[in-house]
Amino acid sequence: DIQMTQSPASLSVSVGETVTITCRASENIYSNLAWYQQKQGKSPQLLVYAATNLADGVPSRFSGSGSGTQYSLKINSLQSEDFGSYYCQHFWGTPYTFGGGTKLEIK
Amino acid sequence: QVQLQQSGPELVKPGASVRISCKASGYTFTSYYIHWVKQRPGQGLEWIGWIYPGNVNTKYNEKFKGKATLTADKSSSTAYMQLSSLTSEDSAVYFCATVSGDYYYGSTWYFDVWGAGTTVTVSS
Repeated sequence: DIQMTQSPASLSVSVGETVTITCRASENIYSNLAWYQQKQGKSPQLLVYAATNLADGVPSRFSGSGSGTQYSLKINSLQSEDFGSYYCQHFWGTPYTFGGGTKLEIK
Repeated sequence: QVQLQQSGPELVKPGASVRISCKASGYTFTSYYIHWVKQRPGQGLEWIGWIYPGNVNTKYNEKFKGKATLTADKSSSTAYMQLSSLTSEDSAVYFCATVSGDYYYGSTWYFDVWGAGTTVTVSS
């Protein structure tokens, strides 16, 4: 099984700051990667698919990058509505493992 | 639009089984995979498996083989997941998810439609 190592596990940041969350796959996943945002008590929402493509309606301050085994989600100029948890998930063969998650909190 | 309606919370005793449902609407039920995902309280997400209602094929995460059984009823556009021999480790929110059809890239369908989740609590 492909393991997804996500970091950091938590982050305390202020509105307006820029953050980067990373996911490292245990083997090449050829950009078959999604990023989700999850608010407390809600279901995950797709942010980025195929590593670099923003889902419809996702603000342009979000961006995805990476290839091979290393991927990142960058959020520029954090807004209050961006706080919550973020997960990566690979789609290069089952099981479609998720990263451990990053909890983004307000400083 | 594509929607998934999940069944309500369940309180079940240890050792028992439970079946939760996920009713699809807004698309042809037999056309897209339905995935199931587990989230324990305060924890991350785990992919359980998928079912393809078109031919009822299934694929499981090895970790959940023997624990979860995925089925689908085409007549009611409903997917089901049965969880057996429940323990406290099975107390979690279970989500179903599917695709709207908008996010297909490089032979991968990215699921963008999620149910609200069903909370299963295992307690005597």
